[in-house]
Amino acid sequence: AQTVTQSQPEMSVQEAETVTLSCTYDTSESDYYLFWYKQPPSRQMILVIRQEAYKQQNATENRFSVNFQKAAKSFSLKISDSQLGDAAMYFCAYRGALFGNEKLTFGTGTRLTIIP
Amino acid sequence: NAGVMQNPRHLVRRRGQEARLRCSPMKGHSHVYWYRQLPEEGLKFMVYLQKENIIDESGMPKERFSAEFPKEGPSILRIQQVVRGDSAAYFCASSPYRGGNNQPQHFGDGTRLSIL
Repeated sequence: AQTVTQSQPEMSVQEAETVTLSCTYDTSESDYYLFWYKQPPSRQMILVIRQEAYKQQNATENRFSVNFQKAAKSFSLKISDSQLGDAAMYFCAYRGALFGNEKLTFGTGTRLTIIP
Repeated sequence: NAGVMQNPRHLVRRRGQEARLRCSPMKGHSHVYWYRQLPEEGLKFMVYLQKENIIDESGMPKERFSAEFPKEGPSILRIQQVVRGDSAAYFCASSPYRGGNNQPQHFGDGTRLSIL
């Protein structure tokens, strides 16, 4: 079974600064997908960024980028130029690429606070 | 283009009653996933359904919980004889087809179930 670990329950960052949220996972599969979801106080689950394991290039979406280290099974999220609207819970998630393993496995989340 | 619609947004039940949670997937999506989020925790997979089929129910409690996704109408998550421990946020997600694993799951806003 796959597991996802987020070792930082809480993080804070000064507005306009950069912060990195860490995530590690455990799997025996060679092909899979990784995601970061944001959950603001409204409780919506918003997809921030995704990474295909077969791609060596790290995914980027505007101010959000990942550092994907496949051998280390690490998938950290970097938020540049932090904004007040970035305050939320951030969840790292794993999904296998094979039929029968389509479910998402989530970490326990990191609560990000933005300091004005 | 409407997203995943869940209703009700909030549901209050007394112990021993039944709870029915509804989920209408995004237009064109035929695959539905249900997840449960206990307070201060990440989302946990419950069940994965295709129209008229349960594909993976490995996360469903063995008793009192059932799910369906009929040919017509929304997917229903049903909890019989609710107990206090069922209090949680229940999220539904949808995807367009199986095997399209590069397609992320799109989440609804969740139903918050409170048991008195």
